Amino acid sequence: DAGVIQSPRHEVTEMGQEVTLRCKPISGHNSLFWYRQTMMRGLELLIYFNNNVPIDDSGMPEDRFSAKMPNASFSTLKIQPSEPRDSAVYFCASSLARGTAGSYNEQFFGPGTRLTVL
Amino acid sequence: ILNVEQSPQSLHVQEGDSTNFTCSFPSSNFYALHWYRWETAKSPEALFVMTLNGDEKKKGRISATLNTKEGYSYLYIKGSQPEDSATYLCAKKARGYSGAGSYQLTFGKGTKLSVIP
Repeated sequence: DAGVIQSPRHEVTEMGQEVTLRCKPISGHNSLFWYRQTMMRGLELLIYFNNNVPIDDSGMPEDRFSAKMPNASFSTLKIQPSEPRDSAVYFCASSLARGTAGSYNEQFFGPGTRLTVL
Repeated sequence: ILNVEQSPQSLHVQEGDSTNFTCSFPSSNFYALHWYRWETAKSPEALFVMTLNGDEKKKGRISATLNTKEGYSYLYIKGSQPEDSATYLCAKKARGYSGAGSYQLTFGKGTKLSVIP
């Protein structure tokens, strides 16, 4: 298996531009997570999906952030408009959650997208 | 403790030394404790998933213990090697509404280990 795939690996954009980050989870996994990693706050959960349905988006910083999971093999995280304070590494992770509420299963992380907003 | 906390924030040890660090977490509503290893320029990789009070897990020279009653876990590395240099993250999984685990993990900020050859 190729693991969790994220694209692009690096993104440099100007303030005000729309940014779309993409994630392909491991085939067969039914939970997908978007994280943001910064020096100040560490690894923060933004949103997660189970069976393509958003379960908790309380970590999304503000309305400029949105995420979708149109099918089991693809998810996007969009920032519109982007701001310099959005600069961070964004990770996508997937796991196989058995049962109704997640089980013990570890999460498998993608390589991350390093976003720089100028 | 309200959040998952790790100490120390960073650590430098000589090759061959043994070391350990701590993860503290709210003991209430506990379901599982995860440890991840995160090498620079790579993504976090799972080391252990621990669920029961008194659990001990081992993988090679790395081992971990869990105390769910007081809310802490220790990670031990015996005979540190330069390839052990990484940030070690712990994450708590809370009990969900149905009594089983919730989907999400709450991560600590990690302990950055540097092993000096």
